[in-house]
Amino acid sequence: QSALTQPASVSGSPGQSITISCTGTSSDVGRYEYVSWYQQHPGKAPKLIIYDVTSRPSGVSNRFSGSKSGNTASLAISGLQAEDEADYFCISYANGHSWVFGGGTQLTVL
Amino acid sequence: QVQLQESGPGLVKPSDTLSLTCAVSGYSISSSDWWGWIRQAPGKGLEWIGYTSYSGRTHYSASFKSRVTMSPDTSRNQFSLELRSVTAVDTAVYYCAKKQDGNSAFDLWGQGTMVTVSS
Repeated sequence: QSALTQPASVSGSPGQSITISCTGTSSDVGRYEYVSWYQQHPGKAPKLIIYDVTSRPSGVSNRFSGSKSGNTASLAISGLQAEDEADYFCISYANGHSWVFGGGTQLTVL
Repeated sequence: QVQLQESGPGLVKPSDTLSLTCAVSGYSISSSDWWGWIRQAPGKGLEWIGYTSYSGRTHYSASFKSRVTMSPDTSRNQFSLELRSVTAVDTAVYYCAKKQDGNSAFDLWGQGTMVTVSS
C-alpha cells in the first residue's frame, strides 16, 4: 500500500491529452510544494519529468505539465505520442523529513 | 553522460547485512546534492530508505533508521548502503538516486538491482 494514491492505469489515443492524479494528505502533498513526477519504461531507470509541482527539467518536453490542488497533485500530458507509453509515479515530501511515493500509473497509448 | 550503477550481492541470508554500492560516473559526488537509496519490493510500491551528502550528513527514513547506514566514498566517487538484520521482507529492487539539494528533484537514477533475502 503506497502512501500516495494514483490510478492503476490510464489510456489515451495519439494526439489526445490525459491527466494522472496523485492524492496524498495534508501532511505531504497538501502541505509542501515538493511533488515530483517520473516516467519509467520497462527495464529502464526512472526519468524525472516534473519537480516542485510545476517545474520541468531542461530537455523535458513541454507536453508534460504539473499542478496541485489541495491534497492532490496532477500530471498532464498533451499531444500523446507512442513513446509516452510507460509507468508514471509521483513523489512528495512529507512531515519529518521523509519522502513518500505513489503506487504508479501505467499509461497506454491506444 | 552522468550514470549511476548499483552493485552488490543478489542473494543475502536472513539476519545478515545487505551491502550495496552505487558508482557514479560523469559527475562528482562532492557536490551539494544528496545521494540516496530507494527500493521496491515485488508487487509493492516504491519506498524511500534515505540519503547521504558527500560529507557524510544523512537523512534516513524512520522505517529504516535503526538498521541502516549510508556512506559516501569521495575517493572512488561512489556511495554505499548497509542494511542490517535483513529478513524476507527486505527482498526488493534497490535503486540508487541523486537528489538535488533544496527541491524535490530526484534527477538521476540507477537501473536498480534485485536483492533476494533467502537461506
